[in-house]
Amino acid sequence: GAGVSQTPSNKVTEKGKYVELRCDPISGHTALYWYRQSLGQGPEFLIYFQGTGAADDSGLPNDRFFAVRPEGSVSTLKIQRTERGDSAVYLCASSLTQASGRGEQYFGPGTRLTVT
Amino acid sequence: AQSVAQPEDQVNVAEGNPLTVKCTYSVSGNPYLFWYVQYPNRGLQFLLKYITGDNLVKGSYGFEAEFNKSQTSFHLKKPSALVSDSALYFCAVRDLSNSGYALNFGKGTSLLVTP
Repeated sequence: GAGVSQTPSNKVTEKGKYVELRCDPISGHTALYWYRQSLGQGPEFLIYFQGTGAADDSGLPNDRFFAVRPEGSVSTLKIQRTERGDSAVYLCASSLTQASGRGEQYFGPGTRLTVT
Repeated sequence: AQSVAQPEDQVNVAEGNPLTVKCTYSVSGNPYLFWYVQYPNRGLQFLLKYITGDNLVKGSYGFEAEFNKSQTSFHLKKPSALVSDSALYFCAVRDLSNSGYALNFGKGTSLLVTP
């Protein structure tokens, strides 16, 4: 079946601009995660959705970052006033309900964001 | 706080030899442990997980990992390496003692299998 998809695959933007990154999870997966992976590092957690609500946004670095999932499926990560330090690969993952915490997460291919 | 350490940046092994990629963890409660593999320009792929029960877990592509509570380790192993196993490997932990559901990843180990 179809896996997690992310668009665009690459995004180049100028410092100070606004960007939106989209994630389409596996059908039926209620849990959705955003991570950020910098060069040479493992993914770092940003935010977790259970259904439509953000159950844990403790990983968002500051208030320039925001994410939504209005219908409980597709999610959009929004970054305002981008900075060069925001350059990274943004990964989305989904899983079945996280009530037990046992489920593995399935990752998309990521969006490579470059802020010039 | 929870953390994961992958002490080796790179592991080199000859094809056909056994391989081990090391991972140690630190959590305040009982851990759920995961291994993922990342091929160039592709997303992370799930390999295996330890939740409870048998300390030796088997996963995809012939990989296995052994949970050792006393050493707080979860090393990834494979009896006979293939050139196609060359990739970046990440260990991750979820701490059950807090309410977070995120995975905490190590920085990754690059595995190079030479013919």
